[in-house]
Amino acid sequence: GEDVEQSLFLSVREGDSSVINCTYTDSSSTYLYWYKQEPGAGLQLLTYIFSNMDMKQDQRLTVLLNKKDKHLSLRIADTQTGDSAIYFCADMNRDDKIIFGKGTRLHILP
Amino acid sequence: DSGVTQTPKHLITATGQRVTLRCSPRSGDLSVYWYQQSLDQGLQFLIQYYNGEERAKGNILERFSAQQFPDLHSELNLSSLELGDSALYFCASTEPFQGSNQPQHFGDGTRLSIL
Repeated sequence: GEDVEQSLFLSVREGDSSVINCTYTDSSSTYLYWYKQEPGAGLQLLTYIFSNMDMKQDQRLTVLLNKKDKHLSLRIADTQTGDSAIYFCADMNRDDKIIFGKGTRLHILP
Repeated sequence: DSGVTQTPKHLITATGQRVTLRCSPRSGDLSVYWYQQSLDQGLQFLIQYYNGEERAKGNILERFSAQQFPDLHSELNLSSLELGDSALYFCASTEPFQGSNQPQHFGDGTRLSIL
């Protein structure tokens, strides 16, 4: 069946860029999402990209999509301590079915 | 604040019991989704309702059921609870245009602990 995979952990120094990667298997993806989950809270939509786009930039966030390789990445520039959270990649297909990855826990080093 | 409200925030109960989790979607949203988040399984889609009717089913156990009421709030009923049902249960809602691939807005979840 369809799957979304992410690495479970990432450590980055404050001020550096963070790059969180995600791969998916669904060939009928329409939208791909990045969500952020802070401790004790629900998932907060960060950004999303249409499947026919290659890149989307929104302030410190850059999303890159390689549709051929089914690879999605989220780059956070100038990582701050407030960026410490779990980041979920999610894929929606033409049937509006959404599948989430297991999340990447981003740890910020001082 | 996403605008999605879930109650209660925490629930502690025993095996074999039954609980009801409640979700109020954002004002105007017609779709409600339920998810279970556990450490080993990640975020699992359970079920979706659209304007009162079941629209999609995911990995929802037979012991679990849900409904969406005319005022669009939704309830998730979990019965014959087992230790493995301990998890965070999230509700999400989307804007009213069915099939428009609108992003989901999540509540803060209900943490269910089975003793």
